[in-house]
Amino acid sequence: DVKVTQSSRYLVKRTGEKVFLECVQDMDHENMFWYRQDPGLGLRLIYFSYDVKMKEKGDIPEGYSVSREKKERFSLILESASTNQTSMYLCASSPGTSGNLYFGPGTRLTVT
Amino acid sequence: DQQVKQNSPSLSVQEGRISILNCDYTNSMFDYFLWYKKYPAEGPTFLISISSIKDKNEDGRFTVFLNKSAKHLSLHIVPSQPGDSAVYFCAAPGSLTGTYKYIFGTGTRLKVLA
Repeated sequence: DVKVTQSSRYLVKRTGEKVFLECVQDMDHENMFWYRQDPGLGLRLIYFSYDVKMKEKGDIPEGYSVSREKKERFSLILESASTNQTSMYLCASSPGTSGNLYFGPGTRLTVT
Repeated sequence: DQQVKQNSPSLSVQEGRISILNCDYTNSMFDYFLWYKKYPAEGPTFLISISSIKDKNEDGRFTVFLNKSAKHLSLHIVPSQPGDSAVYFCAAPGSLTGTYKYIFGTGTRLKVLA
């Protein structure tokens, strides 16, 4: 089975802190994604990566950056956390140029 | 840009009856449309997909219908079971140039009553 793991299930950070969310997949998938889920807004794509060191902005990239130094790992960085970044963050991976996304369990981030 | 809408935020159905969840999209794409199921405090899990060249795909109790002229998807669950209570998201391809980008709807919370 594909496994996507995220470094934390729950995280509480203060406004202005730099926050790192880590995601690792074990199925050698080319593509990796970061989404955030908010009530009434569904899943919104922040960034995705289709290869090592390659990244593209999703629909809501402002305030975020990403890093993909190894194929299995995709990190989401909040340079200076703000309260409007309180959300559930979901990492996903998928093979090739199309295919199903496999999601991790999510990280619920609270910024106070 | 692709937009995906699930206009019913919630749906309640009696156990054993049919559940119908709807989804509309704006841009026609030649790829797969996806349905995901999400329980609280878990990541979404893949449920069923349909190719854009098909009208119907069936997997056990789950059937997805695609009406390309109306740009409309529907997911039928029959018979509905209490364990089906979850949030359901549909996803449509978001890019012409790369089919790995999916746009998700806002979700429909299904409650199956015992």
